[in-house]
Amino acid sequence: DIVLTQSPALAVSLEQRATISCKTSQNVDNYGISYMHWYQQKPGQQPKLLIYEGSNLASGIPARFSGSGSGTDFTLTIDPVEADDIATYYCQQSKDYPTFGAGTKLELK
Amino acid sequence: EVQLVESGGGLVQPGRSLKLSCAASGFTFSNYYMAWVRQAPTKGLEWVASITNSGGSTYYRDSVKGRFTISRDNAKSTLYLQMDSLRSEDTATYYCTRAPWGLFDYWGQGVMVTVSS
Repeated sequence: DIVLTQSPALAVSLEQRATISCKTSQNVDNYGISYMHWYQQKPGQQPKLLIYEGSNLASGIPARFSGSGSGTDFTLTIDPVEADDIATYYCQQSKDYPTFGAGTKLELK
Repeated sequence: EVQLVESGGGLVQPGRSLKLSCAASGFTFSNYYMAWVRQAPTKGLEWVASITNSGGSTYYRDSVKGRFTISRDNAKSTLYLQMDSLRSEDTATYYCTRAPWGLFDYWGQGVMVTVSS
């Protein structure tokens, strides 16, 4: 299995930039596509797709969310952070059978 | 609007069976791979099983292989998960997801499955 590693939590101030990282145990790129996706989950709700294939914004997602990276190192950036963004963020790879990171809980400083 | 509505969850004893259903609407169901993803209480997300758009191929995580069966009825736009020989570690919220190209672009609200005596 491809293992995805995320920091458990990140504290950020409103209107500042949040950078959430995800490192994979194997390269998840293939033919120029990064098979890395990001989800947001608020308490009591189902997850929501934010970013697919490394850097593509999913439908209806605000432009303050962006994704970057390749190979084994990926980043989700939220700039600027709004109160509604307080949630847990998961990365997921689809290069092999799907696996998720353990999630990063975004908290207010 | 894409909608995925799960049903069939509940409390079940270890070793017993349960069948989840997911009614899909708002898209052409037969065009999409579908999947089940679960989340144990206070834990992260875990992929369980996927099925191709025709239903001809299925894929499972190792811990449920031989116990769970994913299936679909394209005429009814419905996805299923038959869960047999349930264990306490299967306790989780189960989400029905639309799963094109290995990602999960729409999720249902989830259905809780509790395995306990």
